[in-house]
Amino acid sequence: AQTVTQSQPEMSVQEAETVTLSCTYDTSESDYYLFWYKQPPSRQMILVIRQEAYKQQNATENRFSVNFQKAAKSFSLKISDSQLGDAAMYFCACSPTSYGKLTFGQGTILTVHP
Amino acid sequence: DSGVTQTPKHLITATGQRVTLRCSPRSGDLSVYWYQQSLDQGLQFLIQYYNGEERAKGNILERFSAQQFPDLHSELNLSSLELGDSALYFCASSPRGISNYGYTFGSGTRLTVV
Repeated sequence: AQTVTQSQPEMSVQEAETVTLSCTYDTSESDYYLFWYKQPPSRQMILVIRQEAYKQQNATENRFSVNFQKAAKSFSLKISDSQLGDAAMYFCACSPTSYGKLTFGQGTILTVHP
Repeated sequence: DSGVTQTPKHLITATGQRVTLRCSPRSGDLSVYWYQQSLDQGLQFLIQYYNGEERAKGNILERFSAQQFPDLHSELNLSSLELGDSALYFCASSPRGISNYGYTFGSGTRLTVV
C-alpha cells in the first residue's frame, strides 16, 4: 500500500512570484511514478508533471518543476512566475507500477493574488 | 477534450434509487479507473479494469459495481443510493503502460442524491 501526504491545505502567492507545494509519500515499491495534477474550478483533472522514480533528474514542464528527493520520499512542486490561471487545487499522486492505480494526497488549494 | 468521455455530466436522484455512470476511455487505452471525490476530500480509488478484467479494487461499497465491456467502455452502477453517495465520480484511462501523458481523466459525473 502507498500513502501520499500533502501537509499544506492552502497556499497563496502573488502573481509573478514563485511558490512551492509540498508532498511526501510512502511506498514499499522499488519502482513507481509520481504525479502532480491540477484541478481548477471546472473540476477537470489536468496532469501538470510526472516523474519516474528511477530517474534522478528532476522533471520540468515550462514554469513547473519538481524537487524529487527519493531517500526522503519527498516530491515538491515549484511554480515559477505564477499566473492567475494557476489558481486551483493541486493533487500529488503516486502509482507503484505501470498498471497501478493512483493514490492521491488530500490536495492543496492554491490562491494567486494579482 | 481529454479524450475520455463520461456521461451524464450531472445526475440528480432520490435516496434508494439506482444509477449507471458511463465512461468511454481514450482511443487505444485498455485500462479504466473509477474514482470518487466527495466534497472537500481527495480522490478515492474505487476500481480498475484492464481489457475487460477487474484488475484492482479499492474501497468500493458492496452497493457499487462496475464492468468493462468488449468495446472497452465501462459502467459504474450505484444502487440503494444514500445522501452520502453525493460526489463527483471520475473515470480515467491509461494505455497498456504508463505513457508520457500519464493517466487521462474524464470531466466527471456530478451525482446529487436528494
